[in-house]
Amino acid sequence: AQTVTQSQPEMSVQEAETVTLSCTYDTSENNYYLFWYKQPPSRQMILVIRQEAYKQQNATENRFSVNFQKAAKSFSLKISDSQLGDTAMYFCAFMKPANSGGGADGLTFGKGTHLIIQP
Amino acid sequence: ETGVTQSPTHLIKTRGQQVTLRCSSQSGHNTVSWYQQALGQGPQFIFQYYREEENGRGNFPPRFSGLQFPNYSSELNVNALELDDSALYLCASSLAPGRQHTQYFGPGTRLTVL
Repeated sequence: AQTVTQSQPEMSVQEAETVTLSCTYDTSENNYYLFWYKQPPSRQMILVIRQEAYKQQNATENRFSVNFQKAAKSFSLKISDSQLGDTAMYFCAFMKPANSGGGADGLTFGKGTHLIIQP
Repeated sequence: ETGVTQSPTHLIKTRGQQVTLRCSSQSGHNTVSWYQQALGQGPQFIFQYYREEENGRGNFPPRFSGLQFPNYSSELNVNALELDDSALYLCASSLAPGRQHTQYFGPGTRLTVL
């Protein structure tokens, strides 16, 4: 079974600063997918960024980028030029491919990091 | 493009009752997954439906069951409700397993069991 660990329950930074959220995972799979989701107080889970394990290049989406270290099983999220609207719970999630046998496992989530952007 | 929708938004039930939650998938998506999110926790996978059949299941008892319809919408049914079933229930849709793995979530249904 896969596990995802987010060791920072809460973080607070000033607007415009850069912040990095940590995530580690444990799996015996070689091919898999990693995600960061954002859940604002309105509660709808929104995809921030996605990384395929077979790709060495780190994914980026505008102000959001990841540092994917496959050997270390680490998948951190960097938010540059943070904005007030970035305030939310951030969840790291793991998924193995559906064709890896045993049916779909769905996403395995960490417990989340509550990010607060201060004005 | 229509996003994932869920109904109802909130629901209050008493212990022992049964509940049905509904989800309409995003346009073009034929796979639906359900998650339970307890307060202060990350979501936990309940099951996934693809082509109207259960395609995978998490560590939830049989009293959690589901359906998927030909239009790809889905229902989550929970029988014999327990207090610990109080949670936010999230539905997520995606393209067929093996082709696209990104799941897009609905706003959730908040279930309170008294």
